[in-house]
Formats: sequence, C-alpha cells, structure tokens
Amino acid sequence: GEDVEQSLFLSVREGDSSVINCTYTDSSSTYLYWYKQEPGAGLQLLTYIFSNMDMKQDQRLTVLLNKKDKHLSLRIADTQTGDSAIYFCADAGTALIFGKGTTLSVSS
Amino acid sequence: DTEVTQTPKHLVMGMTNKKSLKCEQHMGHRAMYWYKQKAKKPPELMFVYSYEKLSINESVPSRFSPECPNSSLLNLHLHALQPEDSALYLCASSDSAGTLGYTFGSGTRLTVV
Repeated sequence: GEDVEQSLFLSVREGDSSVINCTYTDSSSTYLYWYKQEPGAGLQLLTYIFSNMDMKQDQRLTVLLNKKDKHLSLRIADTQTGDSAIYFCADAGTALIFGKGTTLSVSS
Repeated sequence: DTEVTQTPKHLVMGMTNKKSLKCEQHMGHRAMYWYKQKAKKPPELMFVYSYEKLSINESVPSRFSPECPNSSLLNLHLHALQPEDSALYLCASSDSAGTLGYTFGSGTRLTVV
C-alpha cells in the first residue's frame, strides 16, 4: 500500500530557514501536498505540487520534488514563531494518505 | 460556498449511545472522505465515497457506519464505541477521488466515556 515517511521533529531559530523532508512510495500520484496543523486546529492546506514539476515557489514556501527518488521537501524561508506547528506531507492516490508529520518548533 | 461543514464540533458519548456525525459540502464535489485523527498523529483514512458509493473501507470496525444520502451529505453513524475511539473525526471532499482540490472540515472532536 501507499506509505509516506517524514522526520518527526525540527527545531529552528526565528529568521532561519526550515526544511522539512518527506518520502513517498506511490509513484502514480498526480499531486503531492503540504498541510499545516496548529494545536487544537484543523488542517490547513499550505501548498501542493503537480507530479511533473520539480519546484514550486509560493512566497516564503518552496517545494522541491525529486520524482526519481520519491522525495519531497518543503522549505520555509525566514521562519517565524507563528510557523510552529505540525507539518504533514500527503500523497494523493485514491485518497490523501498522510505522512506521520514533522513538528516544527521555532524559538525566538 | 467553498467549505466543508461538520457538525457537531464537539461530542461526548457513552459506550452504549448511538450518535451520528454529519458533513456537508456544496462545491459539487463527487468524492467525500472520513478520516480519524488522534492527538499529534496524522489523519488516518477510514472511508471514501465516490459518486455516492462506498469505494474504500480501510478495515474500519462495524461500530462505525458511513452513509452518503446524497452528493452533498456524508454521515458517520456511531454505536457501541470504545474509549480508544476518542479522536478528531475529519470529513473532506474533492472533485473526484485522487485529484486536486481536497477541502477539509474543521472536524468533530469525539470523546467516548
């Protein structure tokens, strides 16, 4: 079945860049997603990338996709304390399958 | 309307109760989903409905019973739940299964006592 793996924790200082990594197994995925979830809140779609793209930039967010290695990353430039949350990558096969989530902690 | 609406937002139920969670969307989406999420864990897929027919059941216990009365509504009927079923239940919809445009509701936080 589909499987999505992520590193579990990342700690950065305010103003630094954060890079969250994800690997997936389903090579038929058309889209790959990044979601953010703050404590006690629902899922917020951050960005997505089409499977035939290598990179997508959206303001402070940069998504890189290496389809050969099935590796996806999310870079957050100028990380702020408000970026502290759990970040999930998700693989859209027949339904969204989520990675385990990376907890990003930003210290001032 | 670009939202998925879930009711109730919070629910406390006993192990002998029967209750239902409701989900509604008016975006014309033809695929709808139920996910279960425990604290600090990823959402886990439970059920997928595509064109009002159940297309995926991820080996969910029969005490959870989904229903899709029409293309805008999705229910999850709950009966004889266990305390370990306490979680956030998320509904989502998309234009069709496996494509762009998943929209999530804010969830129902369920506590089983």
